[in-house]
Amino acid sequence: RKEVEQDPGPFNVPEGATVAFNCTYSNSASQSFFWYRQDCRKEPKLLMSVYSSGNEDGRFTAQLNRASQYISLLIRDSKLSDSATYLCVVTKSGGYNKLIFGAGTRLAVHP
Amino acid sequence: DAGVTQSPTHLIKTRGQQVTLRCSPKSGHDTVSWYQQALGQGPQFIFQYYEEEERQRGNFPDRFSGHQFPNYSSELNVNALLLGDSALYLCASSLLHSGNTIYFGEGSWLTVV
Repeated sequence: RKEVEQDPGPFNVPEGATVAFNCTYSNSASQSFFWYRQDCRKEPKLLMSVYSSGNEDGRFTAQLNRASQYISLLIRDSKLSDSATYLCVVTKSGGYNKLIFGAGTRLAVHP
Repeated sequence: DAGVTQSPTHLIKTRGQQVTLRCSPKSGHDTVSWYQQALGQGPQFIFQYYEEEERQRGNFPDRFSGHQFPNYSSELNVNALLLGDSALYLCASSLLHSGNTIYFGEGSWLTVV
């Protein structure tokens, strides 16, 4: 079983739609949680950290459920520029910046 | 302030050959990690260098080796290349004992034929 699992998609949605991505992680010792965004043939870039209390950054909302080992990302009012692959990432206690990535969920927003 | 720089950006090698990829971390960062990203997959951790030593290693064979220099730059070496080594190789820099953001370079695309 992979340490971080995501629905690979693709998610094809119209502009303005709300879309949600889910992620599960297997190691209960996981310490920090992130969503990264990766455009085609580019490097991953940090979208947002994920906290137990939930956090929001503009149109993006991230949630963490430690009991269920589940992470989510909600994108409201999708834009064409949101088209990318979204990577769920965790680190472990003592992992010293070792990132464990899911395979990513591809999002395509169409006009 | 230069970000993370990697070279070369693209290269093609033949099975059995050896390759060296290079990375200069972001100014002020002391830790370099290397990741391999195969097509359709998320990046997989290869190893991490801090204070010129390999501190952590992922599940990669000994054909994958590295080095960190006193100026914190790093090299990734892969020997006896296999077709399956074709991937995007990403370098990530960070400050080890800090919770600050990890920055990725644009990567080196390796094709093994």
